[in-house]
Amino acid sequence: QKEVEQDPGPLSVPEGAIVSLNCTYSNSAFQYFMWYRQYSRKGPELLMYTYSSGNKEDGRFTAQVDKSSKYISLFIRDSQPSDSATYLCAMSARGGATNKLIFGTGTLLAVQP
Amino acid sequence: DAGVTQSPTHLIKTRGQQVTLRCSPKSGHDTVSWYQQALGQGPQFIFQYYEEEERQRGNFPDRFSGHQFPNYSSELNVNALLLGDSALYLCASRKADTQYFGPGTRLTVL
Repeated sequence: QKEVEQDPGPLSVPEGAIVSLNCTYSNSAFQYFMWYRQYSRKGPELLMYTYSSGNKEDGRFTAQVDKSSKYISLFIRDSQPSDSATYLCAMSARGGATNKLIFGTGTLLAVQP
Repeated sequence: DAGVTQSPTHLIKTRGQQVTLRCSPKSGHDTVSWYQQALGQGPQFIFQYYEEEERQRGNFPDRFSGHQFPNYSSELNVNALLLGDSALYLCASRKADTQYFGPGTRLTVL
């Protein structure tokens, strides 16, 4: 079993829709949770960073972490065609100098105009 | 402020050859990590360098080695290339608890 599970999609939605992306994990030691966006043939771009449980909002993006269920989510409101990309969840057990990131496989999102 | 930079952008090698990839971290970042991303997969951690030493290593063979220089830049070396080494190699530099990725080097092994 992988430490981090993520539905690879593809997920296709119309412009303006609310998008929900999710990851589950098995390692209860994970405390730091991130969402990255990756356009085709580019490096991952950090979107959201959350420590421990709770919600965090930044513009059209909301990240949620439920450590009791080992489940994290990213919501995108008013989705735009420019949001079409692969979304990667990542997590680590420690901060500081040894924060190796464990990634999900990524979900491919297509927002149709 | 330049972000993380990597060179070359892409390259093609044949089985058995050796390759060196380079990374310059963001200004003010002192820790560099390397990841391998196969097509359709998430990045896999190779190793991390801090203060010119390898601090942590993922599940990769000794064919994968690295180096960090006093200016915090880093190199990834892969010896005896295999077809399965074809991937996007990503460098990430760290500040506090977040990592920022470069554009990657796409390696194709024929």
